[in-house]
Amino acid sequence: QQQVKQSPQSLIVQKGGISIINCAYENTAFDYFPWYQQFPGKGPALLIAIRPDVSEKKEGRFTISFNKSAKQFSLHIMDSQPGDSATYFCAVIRRALTFGSGTRLQVQP
Amino acid sequence: EAQVTQNPRYLITVTGKKLTVTCSQNMNHEYMSWYRQDPGLGLRQIYYSMNVEVTDKGDVPEGYKVSRKEKRNFPLILESPSPNQTSLYFCATALGSYNEQFFGPGTRLTVL
Repeated sequence: QQQVKQSPQSLIVQKGGISIINCAYENTAFDYFPWYQQFPGKGPALLIAIRPDVSEKKEGRFTISFNKSAKQFSLHIMDSQPGDSATYFCAVIRRALTFGSGTRLQVQP
Repeated sequence: EAQVTQNPRYLITVTGKKLTVTCSQNMNHEYMSWYRQDPGLGLRQIYYSMNVEVTDKGDVPEGYKVSRKEKRNFPLILESPSPNQTSLYFCATALGSYNEQFFGPGTRLTVL
């Protein structure tokens, strides 16, 4: 069963725009929600993460918004840059890490 | 330099020929894990290990074995590979299951 549903599959944004990626989860027992960024030919790397007792976390241009009642969380990339072009994965953790299916982001100059 | 190494990086093999993909880390991490990445499916966890001699199944363990006899190494074993195991494999390590996971460079496996 798919525990984390991620959308959209792909996203094209103009430079300077806002990129928004959404994830929904089913199991309320998850207690840590990271986002990973993956560039072609590389392994994923942690971008930002949030715990469920916080509704928002911001690090630079990257913000996670978390809605516990709706069981949804999203990644916002402000002022998107061509260097942000990568695949982004949301994930949930309870002992094991379960990833969403990924979003390929392309930021056009 | 802190790193996670995987070997081999690329492997083409035939159905049924046993193989091992090695993973080694020098960060003294307790937690290690294996994932496979397939287009449209993201990364799916195969097995993980919370500590030496402790391993647990992830979401897709069928057809794979692991062992954790020492902290730094966590090999992935395919006893009888099949074409549906053709994939990109990543090893990852972390201080603990809730800590940031550091991923290796990946192993691209093709089973003919």
